[in-house]
Amino acid sequence: DTGVSQNPRHKITKRGQNVTFRCDPISEHNRLYWYRQTLGQGPEFLTYFQNEAQLEKSRLLSDRFSAERPKGSFSTLEIQRTEQGDSAMYLCASSERDRNIQYFGAGTRLSVL
Amino acid sequence: AQSVSQHNHHVILSEAASLELGCNYSYGGTVNLFWYVQYPGQHLQLLLKYFSGDPLVKGIKGFEAEFIKSKFSFNLRKPSVQWSDTAEYFCAVYQAGTALIFGKGTTLSVSS
Repeated sequence: DTGVSQNPRHKITKRGQNVTFRCDPISEHNRLYWYRQTLGQGPEFLTYFQNEAQLEKSRLLSDRFSAERPKGSFSTLEIQRTEQGDSAMYLCASSERDRNIQYFGAGTRLSVL
Repeated sequence: AQSVSQHNHHVILSEAASLELGCNYSYGGTVNLFWYVQYPGQHLQLLLKYFSGDPLVKGIKGFEAEFIKSKFSFNLRKPSVQWSDTAEYFCAVYQAGTALIFGKGTTLSVSS
């Protein structure tokens, strides 16, 4: 399968713990996006990378959230000191630079207890 | 800020009925428009897109959408739905320099 891959698929953690998610984009795509989706809502933009550069961050991305894409390939999203309000589906998408078509992964569902 | 409104939260249809899902966006400049579909237990998939040109665009599985610039609308249609169309449908707008802005989604339930 050459689509966008996200790991883990599910993560259950206790409040206050740190969690890290990984996204592997489609190999020739140099743009990578993170979104968050809660029940009854559409995906909401968090941040995006072009190659290794993080070009934009949403105001939804608090100081507890950090994302990296160190070699312009896979990306990680870390949430520190998780809160119950962080419970959501975290989606990753990728696209080619000159085409605004984003392809989504299956997501990582985070449950904070 | 750009926003996307989907008028129907939950639509229930019988097989063979016609479908129209409404979508309006707020930005008046150049936008790219998308409909994504999420089947139960699956990831978001692109259904169709509009970048420029013919405002009537066709997508996969018999879906089509019409871009009406004067109404800031991009409504999704299908003449005859099937049970397999049961899914959640999201309208999204891409404005240059930003990421996709999604509506809240419409859940379509088709009974056989």
